[in-house]
Amino acid sequence: DQQVKQNSPSLSVQEGRISILNCDYTNSMFDYFLWYKKYPAEGPTFLISISSIKDKNEDGRFTVFLNKSAKHLSLHIVPSQPGDSAVYFCAASELSTSGTYKYIFGTGTRLKVLA
Amino acid sequence: DGGITQSPKYLFRKEGQNVTLSCEQNLNHDAMYWYRQDPGQGLRLIYYSQIVNDFQKGDIAEGYSVSREKKESFPLTVTSAQKNPTAFYLCASSIETSGMTQYFGPGTRLLVL
Repeated sequence: DQQVKQNSPSLSVQEGRISILNCDYTNSMFDYFLWYKKYPAEGPTFLISISSIKDKNEDGRFTVFLNKSAKHLSLHIVPSQPGDSAVYFCAASELSTSGTYKYIFGTGTRLKVLA
Repeated sequence: DGGITQSPKYLFRKEGQNVTLSCEQNLNHDAMYWYRQDPGQGLRLIYYSQIVNDFQKGDIAEGYSVSREKKESFPLTVTSAQKNPTAFYLCASSIETSGMTQYFGPGTRLLVL
């Protein structure tokens, strides 16, 4: 049972336009939501996170929006650049019974920014 | 220069053989994690450790073992009991008291001969 879902496996956007990547979750106890960017054969790179008590966090071209009532978050990239082409993973963290945070990942969305 | 290192980058395993993947971090993070990524899938948690000499099973621990003898090191052994070991393995670490971010190593690709 997937607790974090990315329903769009791929997305193509024109350079300079906005990219919107979506993520849905089922567990209302998640503490943070995170976005990672990943290139093939490399480890994911952390992009931005948002606390469950916030509804927006912005860092340069990246903004994450959280809609708790809909259990939905989105990552906006504006303006999109060809170097943004990668797989983007949404993740959520929850405190496990051992006292350590566990991170649950979605299946990823492949973003292609067209020049 | 702080970070997480994984070695080797590529690893080949023969049938019936155990292999060990290395993960070292100099970020002074308490928590460390091992994930497996298969094509078209997200990252699945194998094991995680909050502190030295303590670790917990993740969602797909069968066929794997770990140790945490030092804070900086969290090696993963893929045993012969793991019937489908071919995957991309990622090690990560985080500050134990925060769930707001996690840092990853570059990964090890394991292939079965």
